[in-house]
Amino acid sequence: DTGVSQDPRHKITKRGQNVTFRCDPISEHNRLYWYRQTLGQGPEFLTYFQNEAQLEKSRLLSDRFSAERPKGSFSTLEIQRTEQGDSAMYLCASSLGESRMKELFFGSGTQLSVL
Amino acid sequence: AQKITQTQPGMFVQEKEAVTLDCTYDTSDQSYGLFWYKQPSSGEMIFLIYQGSYDEQNATEGRYSLNFQKARKSTNLVISASQLGDSAMYFCAMREDYTGGFKTIFGAGTRLFVKA
Repeated sequence: DTGVSQDPRHKITKRGQNVTFRCDPISEHNRLYWYRQTLGQGPEFLTYFQNEAQLEKSRLLSDRFSAERPKGSFSTLEIQRTEQGDSAMYLCASSLGESRMKELFFGSGTQLSVL
Repeated sequence: AQKITQTQPGMFVQEKEAVTLDCTYDTSDQSYGLFWYKQPSSGEMIFLIYQGSYDEQNATEGRYSLNFQKARKSTNLVISASQLGDSAMYFCAMREDYTGGFKTIFGAGTRLFVKA
């Protein structure tokens, strides 16, 4: 296994369009996280899954955002009616188990640019 | 509310010298984990080192070590013998328990420049 993979690496879209990103976590990891990172800032938590269950959504996640992890493996993050303020790097991370000692393994991210 | 503070937006260090990156955190929990991640220009976040809130010894991992002061709620990263490849963004993060599981939050980061 080569780690967490995200697709696409870059996405340019026009305002008002819908976009969908995919994340494939490390295969044995049961927890999957989505973060958003803007230039010069740290990652901001968006949502996370334990297996297929979405356990928390940040208040940052408006109704235009939805995430799924249908079979507890890969996950998708969809943004509907994109706005320029959605432009950011969207990072996916995974981890194994319930311990607070468990570090996150990140993908390379999807850079979204909304024109 | 949880909070991670990194007060140094940018730091310069001469190659082969040591550098300390500061981080303070705010939590009312007794049990939590503290992490440092490196983000080079390629963008991928790389885990560096971990410190548990109950760990009595400061964590070390190769050239990375932590100066953990629990009473002051600080966990500073020390990089010894800096290398040009250490030039990157460094993020302090905290993972703590809450209803439903664990969540990791990040500071704003410190950009480190290593000079030849």
